[in-house]
Amino acid sequence: DARVTQTPRDKVTEMGQEVTMRCQPILGHNTVFWYRQTMMQGLELLAYFRNRAPLDDSGMPKDRFSAEMPDATLATLKIQPSEPRDSAVYFCASGQREGDGELFFGEGSRLTVL
Amino acid sequence: QQPVQSPQAVILREGEDAVINCSSSKALYSVHWYRQKHGEAPVFLMILLKGGEQKGHEKISASFNEKKQQSSLYLTASQLSYSGTYFCGTRGGSNYKLTFGKGTLLTVNP
Repeated sequence: DARVTQTPRDKVTEMGQEVTMRCQPILGHNTVFWYRQTMMQGLELLAYFRNRAPLDDSGMPKDRFSAEMPDATLATLKIQPSEPRDSAVYFCASGQREGDGELFFGEGSRLTVL
Repeated sequence: QQPVQSPQAVILREGEDAVINCSSSKALYSVHWYRQKHGEAPVFLMILLKGGEQKGHEKISASFNEKKQQSSLYLTASQLSYSGTYFCGTRGGSNYKLTFGKGTLLTVNP
């Protein structure tokens, strides 16, 4: 059963620490999205990739966030240094390049920055 | 730009109907609807494409008014399982950037 896998599921860290979240998209999917979910803002788009190339990361605070796809099976979202306002659930989703199809979301990574 | 959803929340009794609206200030290429249960990931419901093609769910329908840049999701004869937060996502062109609204919390009571 193909699914998007995210790690870690839960992360508690102290302010100022580096946080790395990982995502394994569904095999064969060419688009990968990172979303951040909070009660106030809902699902915010942070970045997305097509064929591993970053197409848009305008939703990310550039000074502390970075997103990469080192290969087709791994996408990473890094926060350095982390701040309490970064506390949220971070979702990765993947989709197929052809057509206007659905996105498949991972279970999410819940981040708490103290 | 984030689409605007209304209402923010709605409470129904089982068997009642509901309509959730989604509007954008930009021209839309497609509208996507997802449902998220508490503590779970969003799950795809439906896509509405420019030109009228619709793909998706058997028991939930939707409309897409391209000229008004609006979409509505219709839930008829609601079931307890319909409870959750509904998100509309919009694409403004043939690129793959999908931007979601803040969601509509739907609660269906017995």
